Amino acid sequence: GAVVSQHPSWVICKSGTSVKIECRSLDFQATTMFWYRQFPKQSLMLMATSNEGSKATYEQGVEKDKFLINHASLTLSTLTVTSAHPEDSSFYICSARAHEQYFGPGTRLTVT
Amino acid sequence: AQTVTQSQPEMSVQEAETVTLSCTYDTSESDYYLFWYKQPPSRQMILVIRQEAYKQQNATENRFSVNFQKAAKSFSLKISDSQLGDAAMYFCAYRSIITSGSRLTFGEGTQLTVNP
Repeated sequence: GAVVSQHPSWVICKSGTSVKIECRSLDFQATTMFWYRQFPKQSLMLMATSNEGSKATYEQGVEKDKFLINHASLTLSTLTVTSAHPEDSSFYICSARAHEQYFGPGTRLTVT
Repeated sequence: AQTVTQSQPEMSVQEAETVTLSCTYDTSESDYYLFWYKQPPSRQMILVIRQEAYKQQNATENRFSVNFQKAAKSFSLKISDSQLGDAAMYFCAYRSIITSGSRLTFGEGTQLTVNP
């Protein structure tokens, strides 16, 4: 139980375009989901906390207009990177909270 | 705000030997959770072990055990009988019970290499 999926697992996009990453809790309902960013050989950096039916809470320094988060249902949260630039290339991980936080497998974003 | 520090960026251990990964944290709260997560090359985060601060008994999960020293704010992970599959990045994490909406605060990570 407590499986979280992410789609896509790897995406390449051109600079200036937008890309959407989906995070789904497959066998439980998650009122809270979290989005993290991870650079190579570094720790996870929390970007935002997403609560179902309400606006996401962004961490200091994270541009809410650039990283749009939507949590439309108890099993789905999406992260849209708008007008992506090469510096947005990173590994994005979501987690969903049931009793514990369960992590998705991550999405590698490459912006060319 | 809580902070988590892992002072060992890299560690190595021989297969079948024992290794201890260090973690210290800073908090003013009296009740909280501590975790060790493993991130193998696949980059999937895997929960290794969890400790509730109000429990004095150290948590154990098979070959994994912790040494929780609340007064010293120390939470080390011991891996016994190390296996090649234990090679990964290990993150120590803190979670408040009262505040911060159950967010996790991670340490910087320790890269563990297991030598055959």
